[in-house]
Amino acid sequence: EVQLVESGGGLVEPGGSLKLSCAASGFTFSNVWMNWVRQVPGGGLEWVGRIRKTNQGATADYVAPVKGRFTISRDDSTDTLYLQMNGLKVEDTGVYYCTNNYDADYWGQGTLVSVSS
Amino acid sequence: DVVMTQSPLSLPVTLGQPASISCRSSRGLVHSDGNTYLSWIHQRPGQSPRRLIYQASKWDSGVPDRFSGSGSGTDFTLKISRVEAEDVGIYFCMQNTHWPPTFGGGTKVEI
Repeated sequence: EVQLVESGGGLVEPGGSLKLSCAASGFTFSNVWMNWVRQVPGGGLEWVGRIRKTNQGATADYVAPVKGRFTISRDDSTDTLYLQMNGLKVEDTGVYYCTNNYDADYWGQGTLVSVSS
Repeated sequence: DVVMTQSPLSLPVTLGQPASISCRSSRGLVHSDGNTYLSWIHQRPGQSPRRLIYQASKWDSGVPDRFSGSGSGTDFTLKISRVEAEDVGIYFCMQNTHWPPTFGGGTKVEI
């Protein structure tokens, strides 16, 4: 059974940092691309970024609003995906989901990030 | 970015009756590899999203066959043949053909 368990969310002031984690199980983590998607207040879904497999260089792509502030990384030895978020803005508030594979096959339960002063 | 437009925004349904949701993209969704990366995602109240349909018409594991996806190019449809109580929630379409992947605004299905 595929499981994706996010953690690391919380309340942070604008300009602050957070690092989210996603523990994966039930599939061969090293064989798949991984993604972060967020759900903003109001319910809309927004793609945040994706990371390729390690044998493809583990390079990442980001959407424009987070480029230069967020960094996605992966640790295939522990089947864990990360999202380092720096320079957080109020508009980064939302529930952050990790999803697996190119086409977001499975979604975790999400972790809430609140950016507020 | 590709704009995904869903209709209707809200869909009152009757148990046992059919329902249909439309999704239109601002660009064609045929990828250079020949696949059409259009997915349908369901989110029940208080739960995380779950993908139902991928590549426009393929069922994800465990998805009831009362759900079906169709369409091509820029116009896609999700149909529920006979609505059941567990089908309430919000349905999103998503394209992953063009970077960045984008979502429709959602259709709220309620009994």
